Amino acid sequence: AQSVTQLGSHVSVSEGALVLLRCNYSSSVPPYLFWYVQYPNQGLQLLLKYTSAATLVKGINGFEAEFKKSETSFHLTKPSAHMSDAAEYFCAVTYLSGTYKYIFGTGTRLKVLA
Amino acid sequence: EAGVTQFPSHSVIEKGQTVTLRCDPISGHDNLYWYRRVMGKEIKFLLHFVKESKQDESGMPNNRFLAERTGGTYSTLKVQPAELEDSGVYFCASSQGSGGPSTDTQYFGPGTRLTVL
Repeated sequence: AQSVTQLGSHVSVSEGALVLLRCNYSSSVPPYLFWYVQYPNQGLQLLLKYTSAATLVKGINGFEAEFKKSETSFHLTKPSAHMSDAAEYFCAVTYLSGTYKYIFGTGTRLKVLA
Repeated sequence: EAGVTQFPSHSVIEKGQTVTLRCDPISGHDNLYWYRRVMGKEIKFLLHFVKESKQDESGMPNNRFLAERTGGTYSTLKVQPAELEDSGVYFCASSQGSGGPSTDTQYFGPGTRLTVL
C-alpha cells in the first residue's frame, strides 16, 4: 500500500538557518507529491507540488523540494528560516488513478528560534 | 474568491449525541473531499464527491458516518451516534475537477475540531 513517512514530528531551527523537512513515500507507480503548510487556525495551504516535470520544484515563501526517485524522497528545504515559517508541514502523495485522494504523512511541526 | 469554509470551527459533544459538520467548497468546484486527522496521526481520506455523487467512500470508518452533498454544492458529514474515537479534526477540500492531479489542486478548509466526551 502507498504511504508517506515524515521523519521528525517536531523540528527546531534557528532564525536564518537552513530548514530541511524530510518526506519519503512508498509507491509502485509514479507519484504526484505535495507539500502543504498549516498556520494556526487556518486551512492547509499548498506550498508546492511535483507533477513529473522538473525534479526540483520551487514553491511559495522561498521553499523548494527535490524529487529523488532513487531515494523515494521529496524533502522540503528553505535556505534561511524566518520566524513566520513556524507552522505544521504536511507531505502528501496521490496517483493518476482512482479518485486522486491524497495520502498524507503525520506532519512536522517547525519551530523557529530567535 | 472565497476559499473552502467549514462550520462549526469547534464542536464539543457527549458520547452518543449527533453532530453535523458542514463544508462549503469553492464555487464551481465539482470535487469535494472529506479528510480526518486524529490527534498525532496522519490526515486520512474519508470520502470523495463528484458533484452530488459519491465517487469513493472507502475511507469512511463505519456506518455511523453519513455524508451528503445536496445539489452538488455544500456537503454535510453527520456522525450519529458519536463515539470517543471520533474526536479529531475534520478537513474538507475541493478541487475544480479537470486535468488530473498535475493541474487539479485540492484546496483545504480550516477544519472542524470535534471533541467527543
